[in-house]
Amino acid sequence: GENVEQHPSTLSVQEGDSAVIKCTYSDSASNYFPWYKQELGKRPQLIIDIRSNVGEKKDQRIAVTLNKTAKHFSLHITETQPEDSAVYFCAAIGNSGGSNYKLTFGKGTLLTVNP
Amino acid sequence: GAVVSQHPSWVICKSGTSVKIECRSLDFQATTMFWYRQFPKQSLMLMATSNEGSKATYEQGVEKDKFLINHASLTLSTLTVTSAHPEDSSFYICSASGTRQDTQYFGPGTRLTVL
Repeated sequence: GENVEQHPSTLSVQEGDSAVIKCTYSDSASNYFPWYKQELGKRPQLIIDIRSNVGEKKDQRIAVTLNKTAKHFSLHITETQPEDSAVYFCAAIGNSGGSNYKLTFGKGTLLTVNP
Repeated sequence: GAVVSQHPSWVICKSGTSVKIECRSLDFQATTMFWYRQFPKQSLMLMATSNEGSKATYEQGVEKDKFLINHASLTLSTLTVTSAHPEDSSFYICSASGTRQDTQYFGPGTRLTVL
């Protein structure tokens, strides 16, 4: 099955700096890579996603890059703000011939943005 | 659109009792629903996948006789934790996907505490 590795596990930045979180995946059949933000005690919120036919996607201060050859993808947050502080999860999904699309999550990154 | 609700949001029960958690898709038909468990400071771990009208598919290591899943309609799935024990205390989150099978919409989660 799929295995997703995520680094770093914790990340502390100053307000206004950039933050980068990196993930690798193992299953070359995976073709959809969402990123989630989860605040304490709440549901994961989809913040951006990328599909395997695209190398980069940007939405305001958030961008995601995908390198299919190397099987890694990264989340970039620019001009960080204190409200960006949360746990971020990467995930991978693919349909290896099955009928259900299962998400495999990374272990998460606790991002702290210091004012 | 694409709202998923869970009930209850939190529950406290005594060891040995059973607890039922409901997951509903409010404005779309959920062909597939997923149940996750999340322990403190850990990632989401998929427990099982269910398709409407079919038996659930459980992930390795998840006891199907302990975690009963029913997906009787396209808008409702239930998870029953039978004979709950303190080690079952966790945050249980459901998600649902509709016509776009690789996109999952998450419920708000249910905090289960077993005394």
